[in-house]
Amino acid sequence: QQPVQSPQAVILREGEDAVINCSSSKALYSVHWYRQKHGEAPVFLMILLKGGEQKGHEKISASFNEKKQQSSLYLTASQLSYSGTYFCGTEFKYTSNTGKLIFGQGTTLQVKP
Amino acid sequence: GAVVSQHPSWVICKSGTSVKIECRSLDFQATTMFWYRQFPKQSLMLMATSNEGSKATYEQGVEKDKFLINHASLTLSTLTVTSAHPEDSSFYICSATHPRYANTGELFFGEGSRLTVL
Repeated sequence: QQPVQSPQAVILREGEDAVINCSSSKALYSVHWYRQKHGEAPVFLMILLKGGEQKGHEKISASFNEKKQQSSLYLTASQLSYSGTYFCGTEFKYTSNTGKLIFGQGTTLQVKP
Repeated sequence: GAVVSQHPSWVICKSGTSVKIECRSLDFQATTMFWYRQFPKQSLMLMATSNEGSKATYEQGVEKDKFLINHASLTLSTLTVTSAHPEDSSFYICSATHPRYANTGELFFGEGSRLTVL
């Protein structure tokens, strides 16, 4: 039931791009993306509700392919502050609009100078 | 943005004792709160859904008698780890949905509470 994220870890140099994928075996109602720094609570990045939806803020964007039951997070021209663990949180169709999220195992991103 | 606060941020206790963690919504009323547990370098695992004025809904495999959840008011949910053992040591995080952001579905997380059982 837990969505699967890939890759598990990625190391980048500043300015490089990265893509993090999140796949589910169950039909999705929404996909949430969060970033967590060590020892801190997760911070909301964005939510995608509709199949085919794409969203972005500054150099971080995401897409949601409802048919394939997957979402991708795109980090462009990465900055040192992007380092952390990224989690996708999925809301399934049968629990839609409840706020109940099941998180993937996380992708650790390390951006080096 | 909405603020969710947890207390304490960390606690160390002896094996066999009980520990209570509070989760408060500071500037909004939260009819539903969620409790997660996170072991080092692992994902956030949903433990239970806390509903104001009713019994919590526990996820499969979570012992309801060990992890007591009380949501007595619209701004406070508590998680009590009873008879704690070293394997209960973890990072416990609560989250809540804000009525104003119901359309976006954004969850607001507390700062987390790190429990260490000796």
